[in-house]
Amino acid sequence: AQKITQTQPGMFVQEKEAVTLDCTYDTSDPSYGLFWYKQPSSGEMIFLIYQGSYDQQNATEGRYSLNFQKARKSANLVISASQLGDSAMYFCAMRPNFGNEKLTFGTGTRLTIIP
Amino acid sequence: DGGITQSPKYLFRKEGQNVTLSCEQNLNHDAMYWYRQDPGQGLRLIYYSQIVNDFQKGDIAEGYSVSREKKESFPLTVTSAQKNPTAFYLCASRQGSFQPQHFGDGTRLSIL
Repeated sequence: AQKITQTQPGMFVQEKEAVTLDCTYDTSDPSYGLFWYKQPSSGEMIFLIYQGSYDQQNATEGRYSLNFQKARKSANLVISASQLGDSAMYFCAMRPNFGNEKLTFGTGTRLTIIP
Repeated sequence: DGGITQSPKYLFRKEGQNVTLSCEQNLNHDAMYWYRQDPGQGLRLIYYSQIVNDFQKGDIAEGYSVSREKKESFPLTVTSAQKNPTAFYLCASRQGSFQPQHFGDGTRLSIL
C-alpha cells in the first residue's frame, strides 16, 4: 500500500519569498513516480512537476523544483519567488510505475501568498 | 484545443435518484480515471479504465458505476446506493507510463 503525508495544512508566505511544501511517502514498490498538483479555488487540478524514483537529478520546471531525498522518502516542492497567483491548494501524489498504476494523493497544503 | 471536458459543472440530485456525470477527452489517452474530493481532503479513486471495454474499481467504488464503450468517454453514474454523494468529482486521463494525469474542471454534486 502507498501513503502520502503532507503535514502542513496551511502556510502563509510573503510575496517574492521562496516556500517549501513538505511531502513524505511510503511505498514498497521499487519503481514509482512522484507528482505535485496545484488546485486553485476554481477547482481544476493543474500538474506542476514530476520526479521518477530512479532519476538522479531533482526535477525543475520554471519556478518549481522538487527536493527529492529517496533515502528519507521525501519529495518536497520548492516554489521560488512566490507570486500572488501561487495561492492555492497543493497536493503531492505518487504512483507505482508498474502494476495497478493507481495515483495516491496526500491531503494537501493550502498556500496563501501575502502581498 | 485538446483537453478533458466534464459536464455539468454543477449537479443536484434528489433522494433515490441516479445521476450521470459526463467526462470526454480528445487527447487520445488510453487511461481514464474518476476521483472524489470532499472538503479539505485529497482525492480518492472511484474507478479507472486502462482500455476500452475494461475498468477496475478504485478505493471507494461502492454506490458508483462506470462504462467505457468509447476511448474518449468515461461516464460516471452515482446511484441511489451512494448515501453520501455530495462532493466534487474530478475526471482525469493519462497516456503511457511515467506520464502525469491531466484533469478536467470537475463537477460539483449536491443533494436536494
